[in-house]
Amino acid sequence: SAVISQKPSRDICQRGTSLTIQCQVDSQVTMMFWYRQQPGQSLTLIATANQGSEATYESGFVIDKFPISRPNLTFSTLTVSNMSPEDSSIYLCSVELPMRSTDTQYFGPGTRLTVL
Amino acid sequence: QQQVKQSPQSLIVQKGGISIINCAYENTAFDYFPWYQQFPGKGPALLIAIRPDVSEKKEGRFTISFNKSAKQFSLHIMDSQPGDSATYFCAASLYNQGGKLIFGQGTELSVKP
Repeated sequence: SAVISQKPSRDICQRGTSLTIQCQVDSQVTMMFWYRQQPGQSLTLIATANQGSEATYESGFVIDKFPISRPNLTFSTLTVSNMSPEDSSIYLCSVELPMRSTDTQYFGPGTRLTVL
Repeated sequence: QQQVKQSPQSLIVQKGGISIINCAYENTAFDYFPWYQQFPGKGPALLIAIRPDVSEKKEGRFTISFNKSAKQFSLHIMDSQPGDSATYFCAASLYNQGGKLIFGQGTELSVKP
Protein backbone atom coordinates (compact mmCIF):
# COMPACT_ATOMS: atom_id res chain seq x y z
CA SER A 1 0.00 0.00 0.00
CA ALA A 2 0.97 3.69 0.12
CA VAL A 3 1.13 6.28 2.88
CA ILE A 4 -0.93 9.28 1.81
CA SER A 5 -1.17 12.50 3.75
CA GLN A 6 -3.41 15.50 3.23
CA LYS A 7 -3.16 19.04 4.50
CA PRO A 8 -5.08 20.60 6.06
CA SER A 9 -7.04 17.87 7.82
CA ARG A 10 -9.92 20.30 8.32
CA ASP A 11 -10.71 23.95 7.82
CA ILE A 12 -13.52 26.42 8.28
CA CYS A 13 -13.65 29.04 5.55
CA GLN A 14 -15.69 32.07 4.66
CA ARG A 15 -17.91 32.25 1.62
CA GLY A 16 -16.11 33.63 -1.45
CA THR A 17 -12.62 32.58 -0.40
CA SER A 18 -10.45 29.76 -1.80
CA LEU A 19 -8.69 26.86 -0.13
CA THR A 20 -5.84 24.76 -1.48
CA ILE A 21 -5.63 21.15 -0.31
CA GLN A 22 -2.35 19.28 -0.55
CA CYS A 23 -1.87 15.56 -1.11
CA GLN A 24 1.51 13.90 -0.55
CA VAL A 25 2.36 10.26 -1.28
CA ASP A 26 5.36 8.35 0.00
CA SER A 27 6.06 6.73 -3.38
CA GLN A 28 5.96 7.77 -7.00
CA VAL A 29 2.58 7.18 -8.61
CA THR A 30 1.30 7.91 -12.07
CA MET A 31 -2.38 8.34 -11.35
CA MET A 32 -3.87 10.46 -8.60
CA PHE A 33 -7.55 11.20 -8.11
CA TRP A 34 -9.56 13.77 -6.22
CA TYR A 35 -12.96 12.85 -4.77
CA ARG A 36 -15.66 14.75 -2.92
CA GLN A 37 -17.75 13.19 -0.18
CA GLN A 38 -20.66 15.34 0.90
CA PRO A 39 -21.95 14.85 4.46
CA GLY A 40 -23.39 11.37 4.89
CA GLN A 41 -22.99 10.65 1.19
CA SER A 42 -20.92 8.50 -1.10
CA LEU A 43 -17.77 9.48 -2.96
CA THR A 44 -17.87 11.32 -6.26
CA LEU A 45 -14.85 11.67 -8.51
CA ILE A 46 -13.91 15.27 -9.23
CA ALA A 47 -10.93 14.74 -11.52
CA THR A 48 -8.00 12.55 -12.44
CA ALA A 49 -4.55 14.14 -12.17
CA ASN A 50 -1.67 12.61 -14.06
CA GLN A 51 1.79 14.10 -13.85
CA GLY A 52 2.76 16.03 -16.94
CA SER A 53 -0.73 16.49 -18.33
CA GLU A 54 -3.83 18.53 -17.67
CA ALA A 55 -6.28 17.12 -15.15
CA THR A 56 -9.35 15.38 -16.54
CA TYR A 57 -12.58 16.58 -14.93
CA GLU A 58 -15.79 14.63 -14.48
CA SER A 59 -19.17 15.88 -15.54
CA GLY A 60 -20.34 18.63 -13.20
CA PHE A 61 -16.85 19.72 -12.16
CA VAL A 62 -14.89 22.49 -13.91
CA ILE A 63 -11.31 23.66 -13.80
CA ASP A 64 -12.21 27.22 -12.83
CA LYS A 65 -13.89 25.96 -9.66
CA PHE A 66 -11.48 23.12 -8.84
CA PRO A 67 -8.04 23.87 -10.31
CA ILE A 68 -5.59 21.02 -9.81
CA SER A 69 -1.81 20.93 -9.94
CA ARG A 70 0.38 17.84 -10.31
CA PRO A 71 3.96 19.08 -10.31
CA ASN A 72 5.60 15.68 -9.69
CA LEU A 73 4.90 12.00 -9.09
CA THR A 74 4.37 12.31 -5.32
CA PHE A 75 2.34 15.50 -4.90
CA SER A 76 -0.87 17.16 -6.02
CA THR A 77 -3.04 20.07 -4.95
CA LEU A 78 -6.75 20.74 -5.32
CA THR A 79 -8.07 24.28 -4.92
CA VAL A 80 -11.70 24.91 -4.08
CA SER A 81 -12.34 28.38 -5.47
CA ASN A 82 -14.91 31.04 -4.61
CA MET A 83 -16.41 28.78 -1.99
CA SER A 84 -20.06 28.60 -1.01
CA PRO A 85 -21.73 26.58 1.78
CA GLU A 86 -22.58 23.92 -0.82
CA ASP A 87 -18.86 23.17 -1.06
CA SER A 88 -18.82 21.92 2.52
CA SER A 89 -17.60 18.34 2.10
CA ILE A 90 -14.76 15.98 2.73
CA TYR A 91 -12.20 16.13 -0.07
CA LEU A 92 -10.14 13.01 -0.59
CA CYS A 93 -7.17 12.24 -2.76
CA SER A 94 -6.39 8.73 -3.86
CA VAL A 95 -3.58 7.05 -5.73
CA GLU A 96 -3.52 4.01 -7.91
CA LEU A 97 -0.94 1.34 -7.22
CA PRO A 98 -0.39 -1.97 -8.94
CA MET A 99 -1.28 -4.83 -6.63
CA ARG A 100 -0.87 -8.34 -7.93
CA SER A 101 -3.15 -8.65 -10.95
CA THR A 102 -4.89 -5.33 -10.73
CA ASP A 103 -4.42 -1.67 -10.04
CA THR A 104 -5.89 -0.61 -6.71
CA GLN A 105 -6.77 2.77 -5.30
CA TYR A 106 -5.71 3.88 -1.86
CA PHE A 107 -7.19 6.92 -0.18
CA GLY A 108 -5.79 9.67 1.96
CA PRO A 109 -7.40 10.64 5.28
CA GLY A 110 -9.41 13.46 3.73
CA THR A 111 -9.80 17.19 4.30
CA ARG A 112 -13.01 18.20 6.04
CA LEU A 113 -14.10 21.59 4.72
CA THR A 114 -16.83 23.73 6.25
CA VAL A 115 -17.87 26.90 4.42
CA LEU A 116 -19.79 29.51 6.38
CA GLN B 1 -25.53 2.74 -16.97
CA GLN B 2 -22.61 3.82 -14.83
CA GLN B 3 -24.49 3.44 -11.56
CA VAL B 4 -23.77 1.05 -8.73
CA LYS B 5 -26.71 0.48 -6.41
CA GLN B 6 -26.01 -0.60 -2.84
CA SER B 7 -28.32 -1.94 -0.17
CA PRO B 8 -29.24 -1.79 2.61
CA GLN B 9 -28.56 1.81 3.58
CA SER B 10 -28.06 0.74 7.20
CA LEU B 11 -27.65 -2.59 8.94
CA ILE B 12 -27.68 -3.68 12.57
CA VAL B 13 -26.18 -7.07 13.41
CA GLN B 14 -25.53 -8.83 16.67
CA LYS B 15 -21.96 -9.70 17.60
CA GLY B 16 -21.03 -13.02 16.06
CA GLY B 17 -23.64 -12.75 13.32
CA ILE B 18 -23.21 -12.46 9.55
CA SER B 19 -23.40 -9.04 7.90
CA ILE B 20 -24.45 -9.04 4.26
CA ILE B 21 -24.29 -6.01 1.97
CA ASN B 22 -25.41 -6.17 -1.64
CA CYS B 23 -24.52 -4.23 -4.76
CA ALA B 24 -25.86 -4.28 -8.28
CA TYR B 25 -24.41 -2.74 -11.41
CA GLU B 26 -25.60 -2.12 -14.94
CA ASN B 27 -22.47 -1.77 -17.06
CA THR B 28 -21.31 -5.24 -18.02
CA ALA B 29 -17.93 -3.82 -19.00
CA PHE B 30 -16.97 -3.19 -15.37
CA ASP B 31 -14.02 -5.42 -14.57
CA TYR B 32 -12.97 -4.61 -11.03
CA PHE B 33 -15.13 -4.58 -7.90
CA PRO B 34 -13.55 -3.39 -4.63
CA TRP B 35 -15.11 -2.92 -1.22
CA TYR B 36 -14.00 -0.09 1.05
CA GLN B 37 -14.44 0.35 4.79
CA GLN B 38 -14.65 3.86 6.22
CA PHE B 39 -14.56 4.84 9.88
CA PRO B 40 -15.76 8.30 10.95
CA GLY B 41 -13.15 10.96 10.25
CA LYS B 42 -11.02 8.62 8.15
CA GLY B 43 -10.52 7.99 4.47
CA PRO B 44 -11.91 4.79 2.91
CA ALA B 45 -9.64 1.76 3.31
CA LEU B 46 -9.56 -1.05 0.76
CA LEU B 47 -11.04 -4.16 2.32
CA ILE B 48 -11.23 -6.75 -0.44
CA ALA B 49 -11.66 -6.76 -4.21
CA ILE B 50 -12.66 -9.16 -6.95
CA ARG B 51 -12.40 -9.48 -10.71
CA PRO B 52 -15.31 -10.95 -12.73
CA ASP B 53 -13.42 -14.10 -13.65
CA VAL B 54 -14.05 -15.60 -10.19
CA SER B 55 -17.30 -16.12 -8.30
CA GLU B 56 -15.99 -15.82 -4.77
CA LYS B 57 -13.04 -14.42 -2.90
CA LYS B 58 -12.36 -14.84 0.80
CA GLU B 59 -9.93 -12.97 3.01
CA GLY B 60 -10.24 -13.80 6.68
CA ARG B 61 -13.78 -13.02 7.85
CA PHE B 62 -14.60 -11.10 4.67
CA THR B 63 -15.98 -12.77 1.55
CA ILE B 64 -17.09 -11.31 -1.78
CA SER B 65 -19.66 -13.30 -3.74
CA PHE B 66 -19.94 -12.35 -7.40
CA ASN B 67 -22.80 -13.23 -9.75
CA LYS B 68 -21.85 -12.10 -13.23
CA SER B 69 -25.12 -13.12 -14.90
CA ALA B 70 -27.19 -11.23 -12.34
CA LYS B 71 -24.75 -8.29 -12.32
CA GLN B 72 -24.62 -8.42 -8.55
CA PHE B 73 -21.96 -8.79 -5.91
CA SER B 74 -22.10 -8.90 -2.15
CA LEU B 75 -19.90 -8.60 0.91
CA HIS B 76 -20.28 -11.10 3.72
CA ILE B 77 -18.71 -10.38 7.09
CA MET B 78 -18.61 -13.54 9.16
CA ASP B 79 -18.50 -13.47 12.97
CA SER B 80 -19.21 -9.72 12.94
CA GLN B 81 -17.52 -7.75 15.72
CA PRO B 82 -18.25 -4.31 17.24
CA GLY B 83 -14.97 -3.14 15.67
CA ASP B 84 -16.50 -3.82 12.25
CA SER B 85 -18.98 -0.99 12.84
CA ALA B 86 -18.26 1.40 9.98
CA THR B 87 -19.61 2.53 6.63
CA TYR B 88 -18.98 0.13 3.75
CA PHE B 89 -18.86 1.16 0.11
CA CYS B 90 -18.87 -1.08 -2.91
CA ALA B 91 -17.38 0.24 -6.12
CA ALA B 92 -16.79 -0.72 -9.72
CA SER B 93 -14.36 0.39 -12.36
CA LEU B 94 -13.39 -0.01 -15.97
CA TYR B 95 -9.76 -0.76 -16.69
CA ASN B 96 -9.81 1.28 -19.89
CA GLN B 97 -11.19 4.33 -18.06
CA GLY B 98 -8.01 4.83 -16.12
CA GLY B 99 -9.13 3.40 -12.81
CA LYS B 100 -12.13 5.65 -12.32
CA LEU B 101 -14.17 4.20 -9.45
CA ILE B 102 -17.96 4.39 -9.36
CA PHE B 103 -19.13 4.07 -5.75
CA GLY B 104 -22.31 2.70 -4.31
CA GLN B 105 -24.31 4.76 -1.85
CA GLY B 106 -22.77 3.18 1.24
CA THR B 107 -24.05 0.99 4.09
CA GLU B 108 -23.72 2.02 7.70
CA LEU B 109 -23.08 -1.14 9.69
CA SER B 110 -23.58 -1.29 13.43
CA VAL B 111 -22.56 -4.46 15.29
CA LYS B 112 -24.16 -4.69 18.71
CA PRO B 113 -22.28 -6.42 21.55
